[in-house]
Amino acid sequence: AQRVTQPEKLLSVFKGAPVELKCNYSYSGSPELFWYVQYSRQRLQLLLRHISRESIKGFTADLNKGETSFHLKKPFAQEEDSAMYYCALPLPPDAGKSTFGDGTTLTVKP
Amino acid sequence: DGGITQSPKYLFRKEGQNVTLSCEQNLNHDAMYWYRQDPGQGLRLIYYSQIVNDFQKGDIAEGYSVSREKKESFPLTVTSAQKNPTAFYLCASSIWANRGGTEAFFGQGTRLTVV
Repeated sequence: AQRVTQPEKLLSVFKGAPVELKCNYSYSGSPELFWYVQYSRQRLQLLLRHISRESIKGFTADLNKGETSFHLKKPFAQEEDSAMYYCALPLPPDAGKSTFGDGTTLTVKP
Repeated sequence: DGGITQSPKYLFRKEGQNVTLSCEQNLNHDAMYWYRQDPGQGLRLIYYSQIVNDFQKGDIAEGYSVSREKKESFPLTVTSAQKNPTAFYLCASSIWANRGGTEAFFGQGTRLTVV
């Protein structure tokens, strides 16, 4: 079955510290993966996708096919990065299953 | 202003009553989705629709119903059969890609509280 796993429900770091949000996937074929972010009182939105290989708000994510991972990283966390982060496979759903992980709530402390 | 609009933002209903959540999009997307977001449980798929007059069950369809009479609209009815309806509901849309993948565009959500 195609799925993503986010092993950490909660992650807390201090401002200026590096942060890594973990995501592992199970996918048949060549995967395309996404990170979505939900800031407080804002709608869930796409943060970045691996195929574009870009850095958004200082975040990067590299697809590691050997480890089947797509971890989200930022070298220096900011307080405004505090949010809920979801790793996701692309739509459409596979057999009616959600393509989103369970999410990780990141808190960046001052 | 293109996007997805969910209404209302907050909804209160008495136990045993059916309630319908609205979702409209003007992105010309073929596919639309309903998710339920509960703390610690991620985004669970309720129903999705690839095309007008067609929809499929997701992970947790029991106690919910949908219709897709227009491309722009995908309302969700939370019926009295849903045992734990209080939650935050998210509507999304996307292009429908048979090959490769696509991203989701989300509405602001509706917080339903059943008392």
